[in-house]
Amino acid sequence: QKEVEQNSGPLSVPEGAIASLNCTYSDRGSQSFFWYRQYSGKSPELIMFIYSNGDKEDGRFTAQLNKASQYVSLLIRDSQPSDSATYLCAVNIVADKLIFGTGTRLQVFP
Amino acid sequence: SQTIHQWPATLVQPVGSPLSLECTVEGTSNPNLYWYRQAAGRGLQLLFYSVGIGQISSEVPQNLSASRPQDRQFILSSKKLLLSDSGFYLCAWRRAGLEQYFGPGTRLTVT
Repeated sequence: QKEVEQNSGPLSVPEGAIASLNCTYSDRGSQSFFWYRQYSGKSPELIMFIYSNGDKEDGRFTAQLNKASQYVSLLIRDSQPSDSATYLCAVNIVADKLIFGTGTRLQVFP
Repeated sequence: SQTIHQWPATLVQPVGSPLSLECTVEGTSNPNLYWYRQAAGRGLQLLFYSVGIGQISSEVPQNLSASRPQDRQFILSSKKLLLSDSGFYLCAWRRAGLEQYFGPGTRLTVT
């Protein structure tokens, strides 16, 4: 069964620090990877996607992909209390489907 | 720009009652549409997806069904709800890329 694994957390970081969120996946054929942010009681919001090995930066967010290690990560620089949320990793397994991890809860304290 | 709507936002239903949740997308045509369920403390579970009108693929056998009567409308139904049907129901769409965008969700409590 194809799986996406995330540490449930909580990951606690001080304001201004770098938060590092990690995700591993089991299907070597996966080509597309996504990070969603979900605030408590709200629906997931897409924040980053990455298709190629290496880093992709968007503002304070950097997604990192290593297909050989089947590993994708999300770095949040200058973390803010408003970044406190659950971060979901999703992996495309076939053209129309994503598999989601159970999420990592991030807490940014002042 | 594209907008996705879901209603109702919250719903409390007794066991054995029927269910109908609706999702509509604005600002795009021929989207792929998805229904997910997120149970408390658990990940997102894909329930159904549709690539076009009348085309429904079921991912998990259960007492739920889905229909797509119009290009931008997706409906989730049940004839008789179970306690285990409680959860946060999310509709999502995608167009050209592989990224999916979620609606605001419906929180269902079965009592």
